[in-house]
Amino acid sequence: GEDVEQSLFLSVREGDSSVINCTYTDSSSTYLYWYKQEPGAGLQLLTYIFSNMDMKQDQRLTVLLNKKDKHLSLRIADTQTGDSAIYFCAEESDNNDMRFGAGTRLTVKP
Amino acid sequence: DTGVSQDPRHKITKRGQNVTFRCDPISEHNRLYWYRQTLGQGPEFLTYFQNEAQLEKSRLLSDRFSAERPKGSFSTLEIQRTEQGDSAMYLCASSLVGQGTYGYTFGSGTRLTVV
Repeated sequence: GEDVEQSLFLSVREGDSSVINCTYTDSSSTYLYWYKQEPGAGLQLLTYIFSNMDMKQDQRLTVLLNKKDKHLSLRIADTQTGDSAIYFCAEESDNNDMRFGAGTRLTVKP
Repeated sequence: DTGVSQDPRHKITKRGQNVTFRCDPISEHNRLYWYRQTLGQGPEFLTYFQNEAQLEKSRLLSDRFSAERPKGSFSTLEIQRTEQGDSAMYLCASSLVGQGTYGYTFGSGTRLTVV
């Protein structure tokens, strides 16, 4: 996952917004994804954005894509304790290979 | 369909033993992937199949590792002569390429501990 970088930790208070950032390097990426991993579990697809979009909103989740800077962010509104998990950014190339970042551990404090 | 299933969930083995893991993908998915995840890291690509054909293998996949998907359905990943460095979570994922669906569906993983 060395081509996809994320900060390792984020801590927020319940009810606040969380913003998780990611940078990627492959300008030919067609889709970018956010996955969530809870302890002892596999990765769960949260949302994705096509590379020709700037923003996608899905309930409490907002994805922003700055293709020029190769920067992707995930905003979680009204963060809840159940949102505590590791969040992975992933880029998919045009041959469907997927590369993951190292993950951002989100801790939500009550 | 109940998603991607992996078996076993946990495996503890002695160094030098062989282990085999199984993955049952979502039945209509044509691609199956194996990833390895170590503590504090994201998943690292090992190999993938399109139907029964193994199309790509990572350099991480040493000659002690072999994967099969004989009938284009379930897959097995075998590690021969296990080493302590093989201790990791082995994740399987599947996807349907070319049909307008996006992303991978992951199984819960097999956690391997080599002692």
